[in-house]
Order: sequence, then C-alpha cells, then structure tokens
Amino acid sequence: DVKVTQSSRYLVKRTGEKVFLECVQDMDHENMFWYRQDPGLGLRLIYFSYDVKMKEKGDIPEGYSVSREKKERFSLILESASTNQTSMYLCASSLVKGGNQPQHFGDGTRLSIL
Amino acid sequence: GEDVEQSLFLSVREGDSSVINCTYTDSSSTYLYWYKQEPGAGLQLLTYIFSNMDMKQDQRLTVLLNKKDKHLSLRIADTQTGDSAIYFCAESRNTGKLIFGQGTTLQVKP
Repeated sequence: DVKVTQSSRYLVKRTGEKVFLECVQDMDHENMFWYRQDPGLGLRLIYFSYDVKMKEKGDIPEGYSVSREKKERFSLILESASTNQTSMYLCASSLVKGGNQPQHFGDGTRLSIL
Repeated sequence: GEDVEQSLFLSVREGDSSVINCTYTDSSSTYLYWYKQEPGAGLQLLTYIFSNMDMKQDQRLTVLLNKKDKHLSLRIADTQTGDSAIYFCAESRNTGKLIFGQGTTLQVKP
C-alpha cells in the first residue's frame, strides 16, 4: 500500500513566521501535490510537482512556495504566515501523469496561525 | 469552467441506501473517482470508474456514470453509521491533476 506521511497532524504558529510542512511518500511516485481544505470550498490545489526540482503553480499559490529536492519528499513553505492561511493542508502523490492515476493522500496537517 | 459540483449535505437512516450525486465538466476526463474523508483524516480512495463504463459495482458501492449529462453518482447500499463521512468526487485531467468537488457530508442516523 502507498504510504504518504505528513510530518505533523497539528501545528500552531504565529503571524509572520516561516512555516515548513513536510510530506514523504514511499512508493517512488513521480507526482506530488499540496492542497488546502476549507469548509464549503473543497480541496484547492496550491502547488504540484512532476519530478525532482520541478514545480508547477496550482490554483492558489500566493503566499506559498515548495521544494522538491528528493523524489520522495515535497515540502510546502509559508514564507510569512498569515491568519488567512489557517487551514487543513493535505499532501498527495500519484505514480505518473496520464492513465488511471488516483492520488493517495496523507492524513493532513491542521495548521493554526495566531 | 472547471467546477465539479456536489450537493453539500445528505442525511439518511441506518439501513437505507444513500445516493451521492456529482456533475463534472470535462467530457475528455478518462477516469472519475470517489474519495471518502473521515473526521480528522485525509482522503481515502473508495472507487473509480473509467469513462467508457456506465456502471461499476464493488460490494455495497455502485457507481453510475451518465457521460452524456456528465453526471456521476455513488450509491451506498445498507448504509451504516461507519459510512458517515465527507465524500468527494473528482475528475482526472491529462496533466495528472484531479479536479475535486466541494464534498458531500453524509450523516447516517441510527
């Protein structure tokens, strides 16, 4: 089974802090994704990556950046956290582009910015 | 647009059937997925259907696809309290991205 592990289940940070959310997958997947989930808005794609050192903007990249130095790890960075970034953050991975490629999700990180 | 639409809430009694509906936008989507999210957890893949199929059955789950109307449904037979969760439909794109609906909260009353 695919295992996607997010480093923290709950995180509390202060406004203006630089925040790192880490995600690791153990199935040699090429694609990795970061979403945020807010009530009534479903999942919104922040950034994704098709390969090491590659990144693509999703629908709401403002205020975020990402890093993919190794294939198995995809980090989401909040450069200067703000209260409107309080949310549930979900990481996902999938094998390759195209075909039947469901995304496999981690358990999520609930981030609160005070 | 890119919207995938779902109703936000469904309430059923234990033992009844639940039907969760979804409309999608891209007729070229090759795969459509249903995910389940339990409280405080990530999304778990429940089932999927290939776009050249009309129906797929997997134990208590039945997926129906009407490609002409771009309508997808998930039927859960004999709904149990453990089925209470948020259910997301998603359509695939060639880019590897999935487009998700807003999620339907299923409440199962004993």
